[in-house]
Amino acid sequence: NAGVTQTPKFQVLKTGQSMTLQCAQDMNHEYMSWYRQDPGMGLRLIHYSVGAGITDQGEVPNGYNVSRSTTEDFPLRLLSAAPSQTSVYFCASSADRGNTEAFFGQGTRLTVV
Amino acid sequence: DAKTTQPPSMDCAEGRAANLPCNHSTISGNEYVYWYRQIHSQGPQYIIHGLKNNETNEMASLIITEDRKSSTLILPHATLRDTAVYYCIVSAWRRDDKIIFGKGTRLHILP
Repeated sequence: NAGVTQTPKFQVLKTGQSMTLQCAQDMNHEYMSWYRQDPGMGLRLIHYSVGAGITDQGEVPNGYNVSRSTTEDFPLRLLSAAPSQTSVYFCASSADRGNTEAFFGQGTRLTVV
Repeated sequence: DAKTTQPPSMDCAEGRAANLPCNHSTISGNEYVYWYRQIHSQGPQYIIHGLKNNETNEMASLIITEDRKSSTLILPHATLRDTAVYYCIVSAWRRDDKIIFGKGTRLHILP
């Protein structure tokens, strides 16, 4: 049972490039979310999904897109990377909305130069 | 905004009980209190949750005041491996879509 898997673990992008951060869970969880964490800061919610086909914005959604075509996968897209998006990104899943007995991935460390 | 308030940092001697407070004075009747911790730069790890009764598991105990406006996470015998940032969250099951983390408490275990 792998839990929540994020790929890649590390990535360096040039300003203006696009990329997709992958997140997959094998627990049949309905709720998935993406957070970013900047040095010395807590976690800030980017986007979340309460089920396949349903997504919504969190606290800091600008510059990011998401989709949820399957229960298992919740990719995060950076359309045109900016240095301000340098951060560590965490994906999480839980069985239900509001059920914060959540499982987190190990993170993707992204640097935009 | 986070619905909880925590001290930014705390120290605890190794082997002693670590008591981490959390204020959630605006908590509503259907909201649970959850605790997580984040060790170094790893993904956060769920610790424990409760509604109004005190709870205990293999990792920690959770004490919720009778008025539910505050709670305390207790690590009974802290070790160096418990050095982490601890987050307290309140959330209503099957109602809250946005799970907001505050800045948490950075716990330093002193040898």
